[in-house]
Amino acid sequence: GQNIDQPTEMTATEGAIVQINCTYQTSGFNGLFWYQQHAGEAPTFLSYNVLDGLEEKGRFSSFLSRSKGYSYLLLKELQMKDSASYLCAVLDSNYQLIWGAGTKLIIKP
Amino acid sequence: DGGITQSPKYLFRKEGQNVTLSCEQNLNHDAMYWYRQDPGQGLRLIYYSQIVNDFQKGDIAEGYSVSREKKESFPLTVTSAQKNPTAFYLCASSQLGDRIYEQYFGPGTRLTVT
Repeated sequence: GQNIDQPTEMTATEGAIVQINCTYQTSGFNGLFWYQQHAGEAPTFLSYNVLDGLEEKGRFSSFLSRSKGYSYLLLKELQMKDSASYLCAVLDSNYQLIWGAGTKLIIKP
Repeated sequence: DGGITQSPKYLFRKEGQNVTLSCEQNLNHDAMYWYRQDPGQGLRLIYYSQIVNDFQKGDIAEGYSVSREKKESFPLTVTSAQKNPTAFYLCASSQLGDRIYEQYFGPGTRLTVT
């Protein structure tokens, strides 16, 4: 079966750095997405990785290792507005998105 | 402004009634999707469409129906056959082409059936 695993919840302090991990087992791989979702709102696109390595975009970076079936989202200089759920999703061999359950990130002052 | 609209934001229905959720996009995207989101679970695909007048079942299509008569519109009907319809429903769209495009999401409709 297809499986995406993420921690259910993480807590971090304002101004700090947090790493949210995602491991996957899917039938084929055509890339991995990270989305941010504030409570009761639509998910918004953060990043897309298809090759191994680190992609940096401002305070957010995303890393992929295809051989390990592993990705992480790194958030630097955390702000209170970063409190949200972070969703990992893999595009499988049929170009369908398989979604993880999301990681709820709580930022404390 | 370009985007995806879903209405209404909250919807209440009695058991046994069909209900239709609207989704409209003005992004000129080819593909549209309907997802269901339940607490503690990932988004699950209900239906998707890549072209007008054609759509495909996703992982949990039973008890749902869709139509794609116009490129901009992809309404979802939750029928009385859906055993557990209370959920947060998200519509998304994406461009199709020679590269991978991200999906854009609407604000969602929270459906409560009692």
